[in-house]
Parts: sequence; structure tokens; C-alpha cells
Amino acid sequence: TQLLEQSPQFLSIQEGENLTVYCNSSSVFSSLQWYRQEPGEGPVLLVTVVTGGEVKKLKRLTFQFGDARKDSSLHITAAQPGDTGLYLCAGVGGGSNYKLTFGKGTLLTVNP
Amino acid sequence: SAVISQKPSRDICQRGTSLTIQCQVDSQVTMMFWYRQQPGQSLTLIATANQGSEATYESGFVIDKFPISRPNLTFSTLTVSNMSPEDSSIYLCSVWLVNTEAFFGQGTRLTVV
Repeated sequence: TQLLEQSPQFLSIQEGENLTVYCNSSSVFSSLQWYRQEPGEGPVLLVTVVTGGEVKKLKRLTFQFGDARKDSSLHITAAQPGDTGLYLCAGVGGGSNYKLTFGKGTLLTVNP
Repeated sequence: SAVISQKPSRDICQRGTSLTIQCQVDSQVTMMFWYRQQPGQSLTLIATANQGSEATYESGFVIDKFPISRPNLTFSTLTVSNMSPEDSSIYLCSVWLVNTEAFFGQGTRLTVV
């Protein structure tokens, strides 16, 4: 069974602070995805990282995939209240299954 | 992209009853997925629903408890049978567009009393 450990589980910060969320596994994934979920909605994809060592930037969000494709991080610079939400990492198993293995999620609250 | 509509968006049900959740996609997709998200938790895959064949259930989930229908390439239903308070969760359907990303419905928030 492939497992993803995500940390921290909860994070409450002030507007303007930086933060990093980690996603670690003992398994190798063909790719890893980060989703953001707001209350009453389904998760929405932020980014997919595929290549070991890959770094992707989405405005103030920086995503990194570990060299061994087992771990990933999400760094948010100068967080804003609009960044509040549940951040989920998900490993893609590959093949024709398209089955996602989700981490437990990080509930981020950015206070004004 | 894909637009997924789930019904109902929420419901409060008596224990021992059953609820059927509908998932409609605006395009034809081969595989649809049903997830459960318990309060404050992440998503757990219940089953994969393929058109024309029986659903494939993950460990800990059985067809008698969570029967699934997939009559065509744009629609699926998940039934939560003989409900108990432990079944209170958000249930989400999801689809993949090949080599892109997973799209999720807005979820059905179920409360069993």
C-alpha cells in the first residue's frame, strides 16, 4: 500500500508570512499532484510534478518534486487570506489505473 | 476540462435507510471514481466505476454497502446502504481526463442521525 505523509496537519499564520507544506512517501510515484479544497467544494488541481527534482511556480506558490520522486513540498510566499484552505498532495500510481493516493491534508488558515 | 454535477449536495438521513448519490459529467469518460472524505480527513477511494462492468472496490469497502451503477459514459450513482452515523461524510465523485488531471464534483455532505 502506498502511503503519503503530509505535514503539518494544521497551520495558522499571519498574512505576509511564508510557509512550507511537506509530503513524504516511501513509495515512488509516477507523478505527484497538489490540490486545494475550499469548504463545500471538491479539490481543485494546483499543479502536477512529474520529473525528479522538478520545480514549478504558480505565482506565490512553489512546488518541488524530490529527486527520487518520493516526496514533494509546497512553499507559499507572503501568504494571503485568500490562500486559506485544505491543501492535499496526491500520488499518481501510473499505468492505466489513474488511482490517486491522497495525503491527510494541511488545513491552512491565513489571518489578516 | 470537465464539469461534474453531484446531487444531492447535502442530506440528513435516518440510520438504517439508504441514500443514492448521482454524478453527472459533461463529457464522456471511461473511469469514474467515488471517494469518501470524513470530517477533517483526507480523501479515501471507495471504488472505481467503469462503464459496462462491475465497480472495483478498495480494501474496506464492499458492494453490499456501497453499490455503484455506471449505466453510460457520463453518469454514475453511489448508494450508501443501511446507513449508520459512522457513514456521515462527504462523498465525492471524480473523473480523469487522460494525461491531465482529476476533476471532482462539489461533494455530497451526508449526515446520518
